[in-house]
Amino acid sequence: QSVLTQPPSASGTPGQRIAISCSGSSSNIGSDNVNWYQQLPGRAPKLLIYRNDQRPSGVPDRFSGSKSGTSASLAISGLQSEDESYYFCAAWDGSLNGWVFGGGTKLTVL
Amino acid sequence: QVQLQQSGPGLVKPSQTLSLTCAISGDSVSSNRAAWNWIRQSPSRGLEWLGRTYYRSKWYTYYAVSVKSRMIIKADTSKNQFSLQVNSVTPEDTAVYYCGRGYDGAIDQWGQGTLVTVSS
Repeated sequence: QSVLTQPPSASGTPGQRIAISCSGSSSNIGSDNVNWYQQLPGRAPKLLIYRNDQRPSGVPDRFSGSKSGTSASLAISGLQSEDESYYFCAAWDGSLNGWVFGGGTKLTVL
Repeated sequence: QVQLQQSGPGLVKPSQTLSLTCAISGDSVSSNRAAWNWIRQSPSRGLEWLGRTYYRSKWYTYYAVSVKSRMIIKADTSKNQFSLQVNSVTPEDTAVYYCGRGYDGAIDQWGQGTLVTVSS
């Protein structure tokens, strides 16, 4: 059972905008930043969004993040077939004194 | 460009010790801005943070409560790498293990991952 809660699946059609949610608590999302990762099968996670809404160099601006209270969201606009992947959220948990993760959302591009 | 290269066996027998190493290029294990993490991923438990070590005038090492009694994370400054040791492994320790750099509020660089299977 993951500390952060994500929907197990999401889907969209090419060109569409979708959003993936991540719910936590006051000890993690409510008090610290949220990061988002993309993970292709058999590969290591790749950082997509850090500090809630910052994109590392090289990440397309189709990807955006936001946070409100104890929840966060990853939005992908102009959906492309190559976006089909798993997406995870992560945050530092001050009570556990460690990183916690969401269970992951499998995005299917129809 | 920071790269993390993992090494270590993919098969460990129950009750034995799992040992993995993460070699760093493009950064220093003694950096006063980075932290060096171990994370594992399995279908049953998802992504699980195991612990981290970092240097801020002295070395600090922290572990997840769930694994604290069986794990050791060490930095090797002479080889610019850090390592993970898990004692008394059971089949529940079967997972893909990753090393990762903590920097600017995120684990921003990850090793390639090592599938470790605990089986006799």
